[in-house]
Amino acid sequence: AQSVAQPEDQVNVAEGNPLTVKCTYSVSGNPYLFWYVQYPNRGLQFLLKYITGDNLVKGSYGFEAEFNKSQTSFHLKKPSALVSDSALYFCAVRDGGYSTLTFGKGTMLLVSP
Amino acid sequence: SQTIHQWPATLVQPVGSPLSLECTVEGTSNPNLYWYRQAAGRGLQLLFYSVGIGQISSEVPQNLSASRPQDRQFILSSKKLLLSDSGFYLCAWRDFITGELFFGEGSRLTVL
Repeated sequence: AQSVAQPEDQVNVAEGNPLTVKCTYSVSGNPYLFWYVQYPNRGLQFLLKYITGDNLVKGSYGFEAEFNKSQTSFHLKKPSALVSDSALYFCAVRDGGYSTLTFGKGTMLLVSP
Repeated sequence: SQTIHQWPATLVQPVGSPLSLECTVEGTSNPNLYWYRQAAGRGLQLLFYSVGIGQISSEVPQNLSASRPQDRQFILSSKKLLLSDSGFYLCAWRDFITGELFFGEGSRLTVL
């Protein structure tokens, strides 16, 4: 069975500071990893994904994530946070087979001015 | 490009009334389609998925049902709504190669 853990319910960061939203996963075989963002009363928007290749993945809005196989982690990062980055962030994983995505419970990111 | 539409966007229904939420996808054929529910603005619960017309898999036994009458149409229904059915319902289709999900804008259901 596959699973995702987002250990923080909420992350608070000041605008201009770097941010990290944590994600660890468990999956049999090679993982396909995703980050999504959700603004209030909106659907989820895709940010970035890791399937294979370079461990550092760059995505939308200046976000990036680093795949760490030994630590089974896929943390989301941004060098300089914006107030407009405040939203709910979901990490998701699937294995290489024909499985559905499993989502974490979400982490609320609050960026203060 | 592919697009996904959900309606209605907002719905307020009394307990015991029926429900029909519709999802349609454009720009792709034979998509895998999914219904998720998000309660209290947090975690996602997979309710149903469909790999083709008339094929429905239920992940969680509940008061809801799903149907796929056409290739790009996915409907979420209930005969009698419960208070606990309130939530934000999201439809999604899946990219067959990457497994990435593309979500609609959601339907917010309030049962009173």
